[in-house]
Amino acid sequence: GAVVSQHPSRVICKSGTSVKIECRSLDFQATTMFWYRQFPKKSLMLMATSNEGSKATYEQGVEKDKFLINHASLTLSTLTVTSAHPEDSSFYICSARDRIAHEQFFGPGTRLTVL
Amino acid sequence: AQKVTQAQTEISVVEKEDVTLDCVYETRDTTYYLFWYKQPPSGELVFLIRRNSFDEQNEISGRYSWNFQKSTSSFNFTITASQVVDSAVYFCALSEESTGGFKTIFGAGTRLFVKA
Repeated sequence: GAVVSQHPSRVICKSGTSVKIECRSLDFQATTMFWYRQFPKKSLMLMATSNEGSKATYEQGVEKDKFLINHASLTLSTLTVTSAHPEDSSFYICSARDRIAHEQFFGPGTRLTVL
Repeated sequence: AQKVTQAQTEISVVEKEDVTLDCVYETRDTTYYLFWYKQPPSGELVFLIRRNSFDEQNEISGRYSWNFQKSTSSFNFTITASQVVDSAVYFCALSEESTGGFKTIFGAGTRLFVKA
């Protein structure tokens, strides 16, 4: 099946710093990429949807200025958590939708810990 | 609006027992997709099955089987002869085109414990 990678897989940072997470579709072009957040023992919550070359669409309650999403190419989307705080600690999962087959594939996730 | 309900928060079974995980969904669309994913402790989602709304045929894959019933808006998942390696969180998900574009939402998940 198609592969989606995320980097880094784990990150620990100090409060107040910004963290960038990359999501790449390795063997297909993704017109749309999605970012999810998962708290411990909770479900995946959709944060935002990004289409290549346009601004991301954020779900209700998600701060646009806090979670900056860039989808500069058909194979790369980035999520930047700005001025991270301990409450931003979570598991972030990206997903990419294949431009041709319209199937959705998930990355392995990035575990963010903010001290 | 989309909604996925997995009423069972946790299920505990003994190895070799059969177990059914329930999923009920809500949607206004006639075209949609339903999924089941497995999430082991590592966190990476493992795709199990995708079903489109026009295909109500039940499916069996090894010890796994799925029962899709549009009349009750349910897409239940059964594991036959469960094994310890089946212990994980299982998510049911629903995808559809909405006004904001294509979107996939997840149920709350069911945590399955299979004891030896």
